[in-house]
Amino acid sequence: QITLKESGPALVKPTQTLTLTCTFSGFSLSTSGVGVGWIRQPPGKALEWLALIYWNDDKRYSPSLKSRLTITKDTSKNQVVLTMTNMDPVDTATYYCAHRAGDDSSGYYDNWGQGTLVTVSS
Amino acid sequence: SYVLTQPPSVSVAPGKTARITCGGNNIGGKSVHWYQQKPGQAPVLVISYDSDRPSGIPERFSGSNSWNTATLTISRVEAGDEADYYCQVWDSSSDHYVFGTGTKVTVL
Repeated sequence: QITLKESGPALVKPTQTLTLTCTFSGFSLSTSGVGVGWIRQPPGKALEWLALIYWNDDKRYSPSLKSRLTITKDTSKNQVVLTMTNMDPVDTATYYCAHRAGDDSSGYYDNWGQGTLVTVSS
Repeated sequence: SYVLTQPPSVSVAPGKTARITCGGNNIGGKSVHWYQQKPGQAPVLVISYDSDRPSGIPERFSGSNSWNTATLTISRVEAGDEADYYCQVWDSSSDHYVFGTGTKVTVL
């Protein structure tokens, strides 16, 4: 059974850096083909894909946010960390991590964490 | 950047069929995945690779994909199907994932 859980601050100030941790179980990020992604959702709005890290440490980022995002993994701890710099009130959202499945030509997210709401306010 | 366009809302009576479209340039050449999201909950995968149903998803959910439009069809709609639905693809040209704009399904 795959489970994922996001953790991090509920409130950050503008210009600060957000650090979120995804702790997972039921799979290994050292297994070929496996990936963990981050997706966010502002209140009342649509899902927005942010970043993905693969088992081989290959990384992908949203083009519009690439300059602000960093995704890393700690295989021994079963964790993936997302950092986002220069936070702004428009970054207020629920942040989800999810297990990426599928083949090399496509991919989907078959297991999601419960999400964590991050509010950006002074 | 690749854009996926969905109608903001779809209304359907119980027992009828709901069709949710997802438009994108030559989307028929990509694999489309669909998610259901109920209020306050994380998204749940309901269709992968255009038309594959994950284990536990009712047969009432089906999908198709051709030319510039992918479609999620919910047959014999039930009150419990009321939710937001999102399509998603991998855009190989820009090497990132894209979600659709989302459709709110209301059961009358």
